[in-house]
Amino acid sequence: EPEVTQTPSHQVTQMGQEVILRCVPISNHLYFYWYRQILGQKVEFLVSFYNNEISEKSEIFDDQFSVERPDGSNFTLKIRSTKLEDSAMYFCASIRQGEVTQYFGPGTRLLVL
Amino acid sequence: GQQLNQSPQSMFIQEGEDVSMNCTSSSIFNTWLWYKQDPGEGPVLLIALYKAGELTSNGRLTAQFGITRKDSFLNISASIPSDVGIYFCAGRTGNQFYFGTGTSLTVIP
Repeated sequence: EPEVTQTPSHQVTQMGQEVILRCVPISNHLYFYWYRQILGQKVEFLVSFYNNEISEKSEIFDDQFSVERPDGSNFTLKIRSTKLEDSAMYFCASIRQGEVTQYFGPGTRLLVL
Repeated sequence: GQQLNQSPQSMFIQEGEDVSMNCTSSSIFNTWLWYKQDPGEGPVLLIALYKAGELTSNGRLTAQFGITRKDSFLNISASIPSDVGIYFCAGRTGNQFYFGTGTSLTVIP
C-alpha cells in the first residue's frame, strides 16, 4: 500500500540554522499538509498546499516557514532560522481529491539546541 | 486558532471494558474525524463523520457527529491491549484540519 514518506527521521540543529524537512506524498494525491506536534501536545496545523500554491496557513506559519514542491514528488518545509521552540515532530500528510482521509507520514523529529 | 477540547485527558481501563471520549469545540465544523496515534508515529484515521447527527461504526469503534456540529464522541467497545494510544478528534473547515487536545488511553490486561 502506498505510504507518505519523510526524511530525515531525526534532525538536530543549532538555533539560527536553516532546516529543510522533506516529504514524498502518495503519488496520486493532490492536497498536501504540514503539521507540528510539540512533545506531549496536540497536532497543530501549519499549512495546506494545493495546485502548487499555499491553500491555507495557520498563525504558526510565519515568515520563517516556507513550503515548496520542487518537483513532481517532493514536498518540503523549510525553517529559515530555527528557534528553540521549533523543536517538535513535523508530520506531512496528503489527501486524494474529494476525500478527507489524510495519510500521515512517520514524521521528522526536530531538535533545536 | 480553533480550540477543540477533549475529555477525558487520560483513561486507564481494564481490558474488555468499554471506553467513551468526547470532543467539543466553540466552532462549527462540517466534518469530524477521529484519529489514533501510536508513539513515534503519525495519526491514523479511524472514522470520518460528514453530517450532523451521523452515527458511524468501524468494528468496535462508534462515533457520532453532534447535532450542533460543535461536538463529537467516540466509543470503543470491549477494549483490547492494542487500543492503547492517543486518540485525537479533528474538525475540518475548508482545507484546514484542527486537532483536539487528545485522550491518552491505557488498557490494563
